[in-house]
Amino acid sequence: EVQLVESGGGLVKPGGSLRLSCAGSGFTFSSYDFNWVRQAPGKGLEWVSSISSTGGSLYYANSVRGRFTISRDNGKNSLYLHMNGLRAEDTAVYYCARDAKAIIGTPHDYWGQGTLVTVSS
Amino acid sequence: DIQMTQSPSSLSASVGDRVTITCRASQSISSFLNWYQQKPGKAPNLLIYTASTLQSGVPSRFSGGGSGTHFTLTISSLQPEDFATYYCQQGYTTPFTFGPGTKVDFK
Repeated sequence: EVQLVESGGGLVKPGGSLRLSCAGSGFTFSSYDFNWVRQAPGKGLEWVSSISSTGGSLYYANSVRGRFTISRDNGKNSLYLHMNGLRAEDTAVYYCARDAKAIIGTPHDYWGQGTLVTVSS
Repeated sequence: DIQMTQSPSSLSASVGDRVTITCRASQSISSFLNWYQQKPGKAPNLLIYTASTLQSGVPSRFSGGGSGTHFTLTISSLQPEDFATYYCQQGYTTPFTFGPGTKVDFK
């Protein structure tokens, strides 16, 4: 069974840092591209960042570029999101989401349960 | 960036109704359009990809269509478990923008 489990969320002050993790199991982690998608309380979905299967290609939303860094460790079946310079508007549930393999248009076929990041003083 | 819009933003319907949601892209995205369903407190669930391909395990009452800039999601006969929020997302180029969502609730 495919599982994605996020961790690392919590309360952080504006300007602070946090690292989110996403552990994958039940599939060959290194074969898939991944994404982070967030959802502010009561709001819609916002794509944040993507990483290719090897980690060689990275993509970011304009709203986080220069502050957030996506990475992965295929040996540990894990995806990460390093978040620096956090702002109140970064408050959201952060989901990791797997891209379906060999399907163009990057549909996200499996999602984690999400981890809540709250940025507040 | 490609902007995605959805209409309506919300709709009220009854069990058995036929429901259609529209998604538009600010520029052509070919058929690189995905649809997701999200229920309160849960992660989104992929319904349809490349505009019209049903994800494995998704009931056949869901269907998608369109290409270019205009897309639709249709539920042929609404079931109680279909009351949720639906999002479109373009997979043509980064940033992979989502539409604002359409909430389907009970009439």
